[in-house]
Amino acid sequence: DAKTTQPTSMDCAEGRAANLPCNHSTISGNEYVYWYRQIHSQGPQYIIHGLKNNETNEMASLIITEDRKSSTLILPHATLRDTAVYYCIVRYNFNKFYFGSGTKLNVKP
Amino acid sequence: ETGVTQSPTHLIKTRGQQVTLRCSSQSGHNTVSWYQQALGQGPQFIFQYYREEENGRGNFPPRFSGLQFPNYSSELNVNALELDDSALYLCASSFRSSGRAEEQFFGPGTRLTVL
Repeated sequence: DAKTTQPTSMDCAEGRAANLPCNHSTISGNEYVYWYRQIHSQGPQYIIHGLKNNETNEMASLIITEDRKSSTLILPHATLRDTAVYYCIVRYNFNKFYFGSGTKLNVKP
Repeated sequence: ETGVTQSPTHLIKTRGQQVTLRCSSQSGHNTVSWYQQALGQGPQFIFQYYREEENGRGNFPPRFSGLQFPNYSSELNVNALELDDSALYLCASSFRSSGRAEEQFFGPGTRLTVL
């Protein structure tokens, strides 16, 4: 099963773009990349997912490298409410969702 | 649209006891997954239920078991509780259809403390 590697923590100034990297060098062709975030022990919140192409929704953009070995989640204009732990997940099959330790994003005024 | 709900919110048990946690899926969802999240760690996959059958299991012993009911709600049962079972237990529901990636929607969790 593909595993992910993320930095333990990152800081971002309010109003600036937050770029959260994720390494998934062992990803296989049919595995999707998902991003979730978790605010203070609430249930994780879905952000975005993708397979090969870059994706954008109202919350964020997901940039996946051509070789699919890494990806970046972009929050275009971070606010204080975006302070959370962000999880990059490579989903193996339909029934296995593996979370790593995530990146603690601190958005500062 | 009703989101994923879990009960109870908090629970305190003693070592050796048994516990049942409950989860109601989001409307229209047919799949339920359970996760254990220890303090400071990411959620760990316990198992998933689809069409009332277990459909995938993580690295958890058999004393962790579950059920899914015809209305797609679910229970997580843990027997012979150990101190290390203290954690936040998360339930996530999703809609499975062949060939599509599906996002999971999480409930608020049940905080279990084993003394």
